[in-house]
Amino acid sequence: QITLKESGPTLVRPTQTLTLTCSVSGFSMSAFGMGVGWIRQPPGKALQWLAIIYWDNDVRYNPFLKTKLTITKDTSKNHILLTLTNMDPMDTATYFCARTVTTGSFDYWGPGTLVTVSS
Amino acid sequence: HSVLTQPPSVSGAPGQRVTISCSGNSSNIGNNGVTWYQQLPGKSPKVLIYYDDRRPSGGSDRFSGSKSGASASLAISGLQSEDEADYYCGAWDDGLNGPIFGGGTKLTVL
Repeated sequence: QITLKESGPTLVRPTQTLTLTCSVSGFSMSAFGMGVGWIRQPPGKALQWLAIIYWDNDVRYNPFLKTKLTITKDTSKNHILLTLTNMDPMDTATYFCARTVTTGSFDYWGPGTLVTVSS
Repeated sequence: HSVLTQPPSVSGAPGQRVTISCSGNSSNIGNNGVTWYQQLPGKSPKVLIYYDDRRPSGGSDRFSGSKSGASASLAISGLQSEDEADYYCGAWDDGLNGPIFGGGTKLTVL
């Protein structure tokens, strides 16, 4: 059974750095072609892709947010981490991690974690 | 920064058929496969259609996808109340070098 689950702080202050963890099971992050991405959704708004890390450590970032994001993986722990710097109230959103094995398509998603940025 | 264009809302009566459009360009839909997601209230997205017109194993045949050029469509037949949800299209964008999503379409079953 393939599962993904996001974890991290639910409240951060403006200018702080946020680190989210995606814990995966049921598949190997080392398998050829495998990738895990992060997508966020502000309340009442559309999905926005943030970053993807692939089986071979290739990473892709949304160019509009590239300076803010860092994605890494710890294969031994089956974790994918996303760091966002200089958090702003506009970064308030539900953050999802999701698996991708085909270009542009995410086939399994975590339940998401709501992060609020407020002083 | 939604590059794919969807209508904000569509509606239909139970049993009817509705379609949701998704418009892009040659960098995304015109050159890559389209995925359709259903997001029920408070839930994470779920794949309905991938590679333009393929259904996941176990997926409902009431949902079908099509594509022509840089535009795609999702058709939902035999509307049911449980189909009320937000629907998103997605595709790889060669310029962005990453996936993009549409702005989402809210389906209301009357």
